[in-house]
Amino acid sequence: DGGITQSPKYLFRKEGQNVTLSCEQNLNHDAMYWYRQDPGQGLRLIYYSQIVNDFQKGDIAEGYSVSREKKESFPLTVTSAQKNPTAFYLCASGVAAPGEDTQYFGPGTRLTVL
Amino acid sequence: GEDVEQSLFLSVREGDSSVINCTYTDSSSTYLYWYKQEPGAGLQLLTYIFSNMDMKQDQRLTVLLNKKDKHLSLRIADTQTGDSAIYFCAEVSNTGKLIFGQGTTLQVKP
Repeated sequence: DGGITQSPKYLFRKEGQNVTLSCEQNLNHDAMYWYRQDPGQGLRLIYYSQIVNDFQKGDIAEGYSVSREKKESFPLTVTSAQKNPTAFYLCASGVAAPGEDTQYFGPGTRLTVL
Repeated sequence: GEDVEQSLFLSVREGDSSVINCTYTDSSSTYLYWYKQEPGAGLQLLTYIFSNMDMKQDQRLTVLLNKKDKHLSLRIADTQTGDSAIYFCAEVSNTGKLIFGQGTTLQVKP
């Protein structure tokens, strides 16, 4: 089956701990994205990567870090510097081409910081 | 700046048509998208329309695009309880990134 997987589905962490969210895709997409979704709000872009070993900050990158060592994988680390990390995190991948940015989403990870 | 706006809530009776509206600001957008999000799940790509089209139909879904008014709508015919979800409109900005609206919650009453 082709698709995007995110793990775990639910994650609980204590305040002050770093935590890494996994995102894997087997769609052979060059581009991958991380979004944050808060209740009643739309999606806000955290980081994105259009090619292996390269990534750019989105609109709310502070307190987060990413890596893109393989085409299939784009893990997101939520660091202790992120002031309000409890949220629903969505990963997406796509074939970014001029004028087109069709993205396909994973099932999401709900992070709760206690 | 780039902005996509949607009404926040729509309630319809099962069997009726639903129309979800969206306005966008970037006149250079080439693709516009509709995504569906069920509770606790990721976003599912429903359909998209290329900017040189006025209408696109896919089974119960009809997308209408008014480029002059920068207005996009999604019509769901014969709405079912399984259509209850949040619907997001999105445009490709001039920087190449997807810009999402806040989402419209569709409630379908039996």
